[in-house]
Amino acid sequence: GQQVMQIPQYQHVQEGEDFTTYCNSSTTLSNIQWYKQRPGGHPVFLIQLVKSGEVKKQKRLTFQFGEAKKNSSLHITATQTTDVGTYFCAGARTLTFGKGTMLLVSP
Amino acid sequence: KAGVTQTPRYLIKTRGQQVTLSCSPISGHRSVSWYQQTPGQGLQFLFEYFSETQRNKGNFPGRFSGRQFSNSRSEMNVSTLELGDSALYLCASSLRTGGDSDTQYFGPGTRLTVL
Repeated sequence: GQQVMQIPQYQHVQEGEDFTTYCNSSTTLSNIQWYKQRPGGHPVFLIQLVKSGEVKKQKRLTFQFGEAKKNSSLHITATQTTDVGTYFCAGARTLTFGKGTMLLVSP
Repeated sequence: KAGVTQTPRYLIKTRGQQVTLSCSPISGHRSVSWYQQTPGQGLQFLFEYFSETQRNKGNFPGRFSGRQFSNSRSEMNVSTLELGDSALYLCASSLRTGGDSDTQYFGPGTRLTVL
C-alpha cells in the first residue's frame, strides 16, 4: 500500500533559523496536504498541493510539490516560537499520513 | 460555524471492555473519517463513512468498527480492548465533493487509556 515518509523526525532550531521538512511517497500522489499539530492539539490543515512542481507560499511558509508528484517539502523562513508543533504531510483521499516532523524552537 | 466535536474527550477503560466514541461533523459535511494517533505509529487511518456507508477502511482488526447516522454523526466502537489500543482517536469531517481534494477538519480527539 501507499507509504509516506517524512524526514527529519525531529528538529530543534534557534528562533530566526530556517527549517525544512521533507515528505516522500512510495507512489505518485494526486495531491498532497500539509497539516500542523500543536502540542496537545489536533491536526490543522495548512495547504493542499495538486499540480506537478507547484509552489505555494503562506507568509513565512513555502510548500513545494515535486515534479514527479512523489515528494514534497515545507520550508519555514526565520522560525518563531509560534511555529512549534508537528508538521504532517498526507497523501490523498484516505490521507496516508507521514509520521511527522516535530519542530522545537528555542527563543 | 461550529467545528468538529468529539465526545468524550477522555476515557479510561480496562482490558476486555468495549468503548464507543462519538463524532459530530461540521454542519453540511457528509464525510467522517477516523484516525488513531499513537507516539510510535503516528496517525493511522481507521475508516471513512459517507452517507451512512463505509467507503474506505484502514488496516485495523475487526474489533474496530464504526457507523454513521442520517445526520452524518458518527460513532466508532472498539470491543475487547487491549493495552495497545491506548491512543488519541481523531475524527475528521469533510465535504467530500468529489475526487481526492477534500480538506479534512479534525476534532479535538478522544484520549483513550486502557489499563
